[in-house]
Amino acid sequence: DSGVTQTPKHLITATGQRVTLRCSPRSGDLSVYWYQQSLDQGLQFLIQYYNGEERAKGNILERFSAQQFPDLHSELNLSSLELGDSALYFCASSVARTGVNTEAFFGQGTRLTVV
Amino acid sequence: GQNIDQPTEMTATEGAIVQINCTYQTSGFNGLFWYQQHAGEAPTFLSYNVLDGLEEKGRFSSFLSRSKGYSYLLLKELQMKDSASYLCAVRSRWYKLSFGAGTTVTVRA
Repeated sequence: DSGVTQTPKHLITATGQRVTLRCSPRSGDLSVYWYQQSLDQGLQFLIQYYNGEERAKGNILERFSAQQFPDLHSELNLSSLELGDSALYFCASSVARTGVNTEAFFGQGTRLTVV
Repeated sequence: GQNIDQPTEMTATEGAIVQINCTYQTSGFNGLFWYQQHAGEAPTFLSYNVLDGLEEKGRFSSFLSRSKGYSYLLLKELQMKDSASYLCAVRSRWYKLSFGAGTTVTVRA
């Protein structure tokens, strides 16, 4: 158990709908990352938050948005869903502090299926 | 941005050694990580290099050359359970963590 919790584990929804994926980081971790992994693809970096502020953005679609709340949990919102959005969405967290070996720990992922 | 390249697939025999290479281009290099991922599961951390040289952890070793933008992961005494995807990840400025596409290693009996 990495200590990173993602809910829900599975989600099936129709095209055009909107969903929210939730991530609770490990205790003490300030940085949260979101990744998308389509079938047989690598991890595509979407967005990163640090202590409530957006730090880095990857190839995140305009239909997607995210935020990190004061209690450090994060949500990824996906709207106007398309079939191609079906993927595993991973959240990871790290301490992200200078001088500390801050590997990222991954949650178990949310498998999103758009039908 | 980051450019991270690693081979797509490698096959090796049980008990053998396999070396997975990773080359990268990035600004503000702040560490290189190797992760293992079994299909449909979360990536799990294997090793970390921030200075040049070799880091050894049991059957796994990782090497880094920052001047060459090069790393490798060495898997020794391969076991069937080592069949998985191995991901090279580069951490850059602001702790952004980007991943390569992964190398699928298949271990044959």
